[in-house]
Amino acid sequence: KAGVTQTPRYLIKTRGQQVTLSCSPISGHRSVSWYQQTPGQGLQFLFEYFSETQRNKGNFPGRFSGRQFSNSRSEMNVSTLELGDSALYLCASSRETGSRYEQYFGPGTRLTVT
Amino acid sequence: AQSVTQLGSHVSVSEGALVLLRCNYSSSVPPYLFWYVQYPNQGLQLLLKYTSAATLVKGINGFEAEFKKSETSFHLTKPSAHMSDAAEYFCAVLSGGYQKVTFGIGTKLQVIP
Repeated sequence: KAGVTQTPRYLIKTRGQQVTLSCSPISGHRSVSWYQQTPGQGLQFLFEYFSETQRNKGNFPGRFSGRQFSNSRSEMNVSTLELGDSALYLCASSRETGSRYEQYFGPGTRLTVT
Repeated sequence: AQSVTQLGSHVSVSEGALVLLRCNYSSSVPPYLFWYVQYPNQGLQLLLKYTSAATLVKGINGFEAEFKKSETSFHLTKPSAHMSDAAEYFCAVLSGGYQKVTFGIGTKLQVIP
């Protein structure tokens, strides 16, 4: 069974631009979560989507948004990029939403904002 | 809000020595607790999880963790460290009824030959 895939793996953008990251969950998984990982802040929860609906959201500004498609693939968008948005963005999928279901992480997208 | 605290951002052990990575949680309700490992330039891999079925949880690669409610701890151990165990380890708690995982700051494990 293929794991969680994220594209692209690396990305360089300029301040003020916007970026879209993609995540394909494990087949059959309906929940997709996004996390930001930085050396200073560690791993922080961005949001979770389940059956095309955002179920939970972390404490990030509105510049960070996402969506989920009917095939469970998810995209994350960051508008008006800032230097502080440079991070590893991790996507995780689980079969269902809820505490009992473990998450499987993708390799991440390394975003560098210059 | 639920949280986890990892004591020691860097831990060094000799190859063959005991590995002990500490994690304390803060939770008002029975938590779901996890340990993840991250190798350089990779995503997170689940080592083990606690979901109240048993207090001693065995995971992959010879790791295990014991849930101690009285100490609000979920420390990760491995009897004998291997060079391949060098990585960053994250303790995490799942809360809110949804997939909102709160991670600890991480502990980088160095294994000295």
